[in-house]
Formats: sequence, C-alpha cells, structure tokens
Amino acid sequence: DAKTTQPPSMDCAEGRAANLPCNHSTISGNEYVYWYRQIHSQGPQYIIHGLKNNETNEMASLIITEDRKSSTLILPHATLRDTAVYYCIVRVAGNNAGNMLTFGGGTRLMVKP
Amino acid sequence: NAGVTQTPKFRILKIGQSMTLQCTQDMNHNYMYWYRQDPGMGLKLIYYSVGAGITDKGEVPNGYNVSRSTTEDFPLRLELAAPSQTSVYFCASSRTGRLTGELFFGEGSRLTVL
Repeated sequence: DAKTTQPPSMDCAEGRAANLPCNHSTISGNEYVYWYRQIHSQGPQYIIHGLKNNETNEMASLIITEDRKSSTLILPHATLRDTAVYYCIVRVAGNNAGNMLTFGGGTRLMVKP
Repeated sequence: NAGVTQTPKFRILKIGQSMTLQCTQDMNHNYMYWYRQDPGMGLKLIYYSVGAGITDKGEVPNGYNVSRSTTEDFPLRLELAAPSQTSVYFCASSRTGRLTGELFFGEGSRLTVL
C-alpha cells in the first residue's frame, strides 16, 4: 500500500472550514483514499473514502486531485468537537487481507474558539 | 446497537502474567481486527480474522494469540506479559474486506504491564 504524508498538526477557528491535506504521490490506480479520525482516547472513526472522484457525506468532503497524488479532507464548519487526530490512509480494495488499514501519524487538528 | 464492545477497559498486569482481552460485535460482520496503539503513535495491526475459524497475523503478532470460534467474538490472548505490551488495544470489525473500508472500532482496552 502507498505511503501518505500529512502535516503533524493544524489549527482551525471554530465555524471556519478545516482543510486537511494528504500527499500520496506513489498511489497506484487501484488504491482508495480513506480518512479516519480519532478523538482523544476513543477508537478511530471512519469519515469518508474515495477513488478518483470527489466525495461528500454528512461529515466531510474529500477532494482528490486529478493525478490522484494528493487529497484534501474538508470539514466545512469546524466545531470544537472536531478536535482530533485525522488519518489519511491509502489501500488496495479487494485484497485477501481484508481492510488492513495502515495508520500513520496523522494530523492533530485543534479547533479553537 | 452496541456495536463493538471491548472488556476490560483498564487492566494492570505484572510481568509474566497472562490475560485475555475480550471483543464482541453485534453487527454480524465477517471481518474483525486487533490493533495496538502506543502513546503518540498510530495504530498497528496485531491479528485479523476474515470469518469464524480463520485468523491471520498482522504487522506485530509476536506475544499474542487469537481465536475466532464465532462470528461475534474475537478474543486476544497475551500469554507472558512484557512491559513492551503496555499499550491501548483496539478491536474493530467490518462488513467486507473488499470495498467499503469502514471499520467500526471499540472504545479500547488500556493495558499496563509492570
């Protein structure tokens, strides 16, 4: 699975959009981009995933560049409860190992009042 | 729905002791996983299972054993606890290994080995 690079930390003002970047320059054509977050001391929570098209759900939007070498997770109106570590993960779909997601260091997002 | 339930939430062990971390899910998921998370680090996969009776090693299996006798339960066994196994352990499950990628995690079990 391709490696990802994320900034170790970011700040965002409450009510503003939080844009979390992820670089995955070695991603291959059959690898998906997944985003999870982990609020302090809790288990990680799935946010969104995509292959090449932009995706949106009730939690966030995922923007993937045309060359698929990077992506951005957007939380449109960040709240204090969005303070968490955000993990960007790429993996091949359909392998026999199941959803073996490899969690790196992630980005620690601090939403400030 | 309870989702993924882990017990115990906290445990202190002495070196050389053994224990089992329990994990059960009520979503009828085929896939289950055990991860460990050391302070300030990401999660590392210990073992996983693609269905009852089938288990396989992840990145860091040494010092652990698992079994999967039912769809619901996936216990993690530590036979001879060592200080290096001090960590937070997360159990997770998912519907399928193919496309969804949505893992459901438990709240974690915090283990300290002294």
